[in-house]
Amino acid sequence: GAVVSQHPSRVICKSGTSVKIECRSLDFQATTMFWYRQFPKQSLMLMATSNEGSKATYEQGVEKDKFLINHASLTLSTLTVTSAHPEDSSFYICSASSLAGGASWVDQETQYFGPGTRLLVL
Amino acid sequence: GENVGLHLPTLSVQEGDNSIINCAYSNSASDYFIWYKQESGKGPQFIIDIRSNMDKRQGQRVTVLLNKTVKHLSLQIAATQPGDSAVYFCAENMPQGGSEKLVFGKGTKLTVNP
Repeated sequence: GAVVSQHPSRVICKSGTSVKIECRSLDFQATTMFWYRQFPKQSLMLMATSNEGSKATYEQGVEKDKFLINHASLTLSTLTVTSAHPEDSSFYICSASSLAGGASWVDQETQYFGPGTRLLVL
Repeated sequence: GENVGLHLPTLSVQEGDNSIINCAYSNSASDYFIWYKQESGKGPQFIIDIRSNMDKRQGQRVTVLLNKTVKHLSLQIAATQPGDSAVYFCAENMPQGGSEKLVFGKGTKLTVNP
């Protein structure tokens, strides 16, 4: 239970193009989804928090016009990296949490992480 | 700045030994702490958590200790196995303006030698 998936698992794109990454909670409704970025040999850094149906809250230093987040349903959030550049190459990881309860396998205070998406911008 | 650095702390142990991984957290108001295991190219995997009203919690082969006085967490892995080789992160659930967020530590790379 409490499975989060991401698609694609890896993507290579040209500089200047946009890339969309999907995050899905497969067996529970995620009231909140989080997007993290992780550079090699470094820790996870929170980029933004999104609640279903409302605008995402971005961390300081994260450009909201560059990293577009949509959380249109309780099982799907998307991160779009617009006009990607080589410095955006990173491992992007989402997590999901649920305050709704209902599913016995979901702890309400736990973030369940996806497998990550490796982005390489050439 | 936070989490800056290209060199992860490393711990190398022999198979069967016990491992202890340490972590310092930053905010005395944090009330919930989690240890994650991350294998190469994968997302973090939950190991064990502890709330601030506890100082010790045990799971299967793992124990987390919390010392709020010095803002320190440790993860003990008993009878370490090669499959335990990974990077381990502690995370604190930090209050932030009416909501909360997870702040991850720098991580420790554990290598288990057969």
